Amino acid sequence: DTAVSQTPKYLVTQMGNDKSIKCEQNLGHDTMYWYKQDSKKFLKIMFSYNNKELIINETVPNRFSPKSPDKAHLNLHINSLELGDSAVYFCASSQVYGEQFFGPGTRLTVL
Amino acid sequence: DAKTTQPNSMESNEEEPVHLPCNHSTISGTDYIHWYRQLPSQGPEYVIHGLTSNVNNRMASLAIAEDRKSSTLILHRATLRDAAVYYCILRDDSGGGADGLTFGKGTHLIIQP
Repeated sequence: DTAVSQTPKYLVTQMGNDKSIKCEQNLGHDTMYWYKQDSKKFLKIMFSYNNKELIINETVPNRFSPKSPDKAHLNLHINSLELGDSAVYFCASSQVYGEQFFGPGTRLTVL
Repeated sequence: DAKTTQPNSMESNEEEPVHLPCNHSTISGTDYIHWYRQLPSQGPEYVIHGLTSNVNNRMASLAIAEDRKSSTLILHRATLRDAAVYYCILRDDSGGGADGLTFGKGTHLIIQP
């Protein structure tokens, strides 16, 4: 069974649209994260959630909003998509300060 | 999180040991040294981490300098599957929260058959 799964794997959409990426972990972890990897391959933390509470919110536009319906899920909602949002988005989970387990990534392309 | 410096790329032969260096001269006393790697078209995966003492696990060994200003990830017998970007990351694990990881550019490890 996949420990951290993301859907969809690929997402192609037009500028201005609103989209969501789903993430689920079956590891029983307390904390989940979203990372963005841009075209230059730089990986950057966007958000982390611990027990349904936002802990970190880096300098991310407020068009991005994480939503956690329960401890096993952390979905990423993006409003008014822009060209610069094109990237690979990775979800991860961990126990507090434990090793992080990453999902396979979602490649978002904004046209 | 303190900054780390790694070579952009390294090349090694299959079945030989690989030593991946990382400099972190501004490391603080509560910073742990974490190593992750990212295989092509995959998410990052945890390799190893340590604070002061050398660490071993099934994937690799981590050698930490006595002054903690540098460390070396050791792959004892590289295989083609070890070709990846290796990231050395410092994180202050002393607090009560759950911080994300601050990735640098990493070292692109190339394994020759």
